[in-house]
Amino acid sequence: KQEVTQIPAALSVPEGENLVLNCSFTDSAIYNLQWFRQDPGKGLTSLLLIQSSQREQTSGRLNASLDKSSGRSTLYIAASQPGDSATYLCAVSTDSWGKLQFGAGTQVVVTP
Amino acid sequence: DTGVSQNPRHKITKRGQNVTFRCDPISEHNRLYWYRQTLGQGPEFLTYFQNEAQLEKSRLLSDRFSAERPKGSFSTLEIQRTEQGDSAMYLCASLRTTDTQYFGPGTRLTVL
Repeated sequence: KQEVTQIPAALSVPEGENLVLNCSFTDSAIYNLQWFRQDPGKGLTSLLLIQSSQREQTSGRLNASLDKSSGRSTLYIAASQPGDSATYLCAVSTDSWGKLQFGAGTQVVVTP
Repeated sequence: DTGVSQNPRHKITKRGQNVTFRCDPISEHNRLYWYRQTLGQGPEFLTYFQNEAQLEKSRLLSDRFSAERPKGSFSTLEIQRTEQGDSAMYLCASLRTTDTQYFGPGTRLTVL
């Protein structure tokens, strides 16, 4: 059974520092991995999607890497801003049907 | 492309009552997913549809839960005889094929 873990559960950094968020999964047979952002009481916004054949994806200040063999993904957010404060969720899909299995998330606070 | 919408946004009900939620996916998205999220946890998969066909149901979806997607357009999730343990955020997502899943804002259910 696939399990997705995110450590740490919470993180606080001063503005300008780079953020490093970790995600691990127990079964390397994934179809893709996605990172989402969730603001309090809101739905999820997709940040990056990495297909199983890819090693990384980049969008602006965000970069996500994928190492299937070790069951790990890392989300890097460069030069953090207070607006980056949110919960970041990692999710894996094990087939093309798209059903996602989520980690519990990392709550990030960026202080001015 | 107006995004995924969900109604109502909030629902407060008494234990034992029935509730129904609606999800309108992005037009032409043939896949639709329901997830449930409790405080401090990531979303958990409940069920999904390919057009009007319900293809998979999680064991979390007890016989008090039923979901439909008539004509492959909007979807409804009904909970009968609600229990306090049903209190959660119910999230809907849609996608076309293997694209990113787009999530709605969610319906927050509180069972008193």
